Order: sequence, then structure tokens, then C-alpha cells
Amino acid sequence: RKEVEQDPGPFNVPEGATVAFNCTYSNSASQSFFWYRQDCRKEPKLLMSVYSSGNEDGRFTAQLNRASQYISLLIRDSKLSDSATYLCVVKREYGNKLVFGAGTILRVKS
Amino acid sequence: DTAVSQTPKYLVTQMGNDKSIKCEQNLGHDTMYWYKQDSKKFLKIMFSYNNKELIINETVPNRFSPKSPDKAHLNLHINSLELGDSAVYFCASSQERGPPNNSPLHFGNGTRLTVT
Repeated sequence: RKEVEQDPGPFNVPEGATVAFNCTYSNSASQSFFWYRQDCRKEPKLLMSVYSSGNEDGRFTAQLNRASQYISLLIRDSKLSDSATYLCVVKREYGNKLVFGAGTILRVKS
Repeated sequence: DTAVSQTPKYLVTQMGNDKSIKCEQNLGHDTMYWYKQDSKKFLKIMFSYNNKELIINETVPNRFSPKSPDKAHLNLHINSLELGDSAVYFCASSQERGPPNNSPLHFGNGTRLTVT
């Protein structure tokens, strides 16, 4: 079993839709959690950190459920420019190692 | 004013050759990394250096040798290239000790290596 698992998608949604991605992690000692975004043939970029109490940044909401070991990302009012691969990232408690999920592909269509 | 820069952007070479990829960061970060992203888009860490000291060395063939002359540079040398080494290699940096905590990774724009 991979340490970080995501549904690869693709998720094909119309503009304006709300879409949610889930991610599960297997290491209960994981300390920090992030969502990164990667556009085609580009480098990954931090979208948002995920905090225990949940956090929101504009149209994006991230949630963490430590008991069930999953993280979610909700995107409201999808834009064409949201089309990308969304990477779930987990940082272990010890060592400077971030483990990436394989990513979920989102395609927003007009 | 690029934060993490790596060169070259594209590298096409034949099996058996030796090649190097260079990386530099001007963010003042204390930790640098090499990641490999294969054809299935899976991003895996290869090495991590903190202040020139190797702290993560994943299961990577010893044909891959990182070198960190100072904390702003982390180069990757690959000997005897194989077809399976074809991938995109990303350099990244972060600040791991002292504030700010939870520093995100800043990636370079990648080196697309093709071994023929």
C-alpha cells in the first residue's frame, strides 16, 4: 500500500461546479499536510497547508481527519484555470521528508 | 530573480553517458532536495541535504551522486545512464530549522532527461 493514496481521476467538471478530492495516508506519525498543484509540464507549487481545524483560502477549503487519516480539498465555483493535477503531500514527524501522492487530475470545461 | 533554478531544462543523451544537473536557490533556505517524477507522474524524493549535510538518501542506485558545495547549491551527477533514468528531475528547497515553521517546498522548473 502506498503511503499516500489519491484517486487519480480525471475529474471532468463544468465551470462553476464544486468538486472535492480525498487523500488517505497510512503513517499515523505524519505531522504536516499540504495540497500542491502541478500544471502540465510545470513544477509543483504549494496551494495550501492543511490545518487540524480545517482552513479556507478563497474558493478552496482543506480539511484534515486525523482519526481516519484522510485529507480533503474542496474547490467551489470551478474555473477553467483550476485545471491541473492536485497533489496531496504528507510530512513525516521525523526527518525532512515529504511524501507525495500520485495526484488527482482535474479538468474544468466550459 | 528566480528562486530555485536548475539547468539544463532539457537533456537528451545516450545510454552509458555521464551527465550532471545543477541547482541553485537564492531563498536562503537550509535544505535542498532532488525529486524524480517518472512517466506515471509519481514524484519521489531521492536526496535531501541540510546545510551541506546529507540527511535523506532514498533507495537510489549509487550511479546517482549528489554534491552540495554550499547550502545554496545541490548538483546531481549521474553515471552510466540507463533508459529507466528517463524522467523529470526536480530540485527543491525549504527552510527546515528555525522560523518559519512548516516551510513549503519551492521547486525548480525541472530537468527533462531523455536517455536513448
